[in-house]
Amino acid sequence: GENVEQHPSTLSVQEGDSAVIKCTYSDSASNYFPWYKQELGKRPQLIIDIRSNVGEKKDQRIAVTLNKTAKHFSLHITETQPEDSAVYFCAASGSARQLTFGSGTQLTVLP
Amino acid sequence: NAGVTQTPKFQVLKTGQSMTLQCAQDMNHNSMYWYRQDPGMGLRLIYYSASEGTTDKGEVPNGYNVSRLNKREFSLRLESAAPSQTSVYFCASSEQGETQYFGPGTRLLVL
Repeated sequence: GENVEQHPSTLSVQEGDSAVIKCTYSDSASNYFPWYKQELGKRPQLIIDIRSNVGEKKDQRIAVTLNKTAKHFSLHITETQPEDSAVYFCAASGSARQLTFGSGTQLTVLP
Repeated sequence: NAGVTQTPKFQVLKTGQSMTLQCAQDMNHNSMYWYRQDPGMGLRLIYYSASEGTTDKGEVPNGYNVSRLNKREFSLRLESAAPSQTSVYFCASSEQGETQYFGPGTRLLVL
């Protein structure tokens, strides 16, 4: 089955700096890669996703890049703000058409 | 449009007790999922239902059973609760392989 690894597990940045979270996946048939944000005590919520026919996607301060050859994808957050502090999960939809999640990254934006 | 709803929000059980967690979605999705989330472990799939009338085991199915009651509802049952089942349980729904939408979660403590 699919295996998704996520790094780093914790990340602290100064407000206004950029944050990058990286994930690798194992199933070459995976074709859908969402990113979820989970605030403390809340449910995971989709923030951006990318499909395998696209290399990069942007939505305001958030961007995701995908390298299918290397089987890795990354989340980029620019001009970080304190409200960006949360746990971020990557996921990949493999040949079984289910999502496999990474273990999460705790992002802290320091004022 | 409530999205995905879960009941109860909180539950305390004694070892050996049974309970059923309820989940319902109003987005007409075919697929529904049950996850557990433990600190530092991310989201682990317990069971899923790709469509009405089908259920399949996920990564951590032992100690649980599920019922896809109809297209809207997917319940998770603990027949004999154990302290190791203390966790936060999330239900989700999607079209197969696509974006998953999560419920608010059920916090379960087994003493």
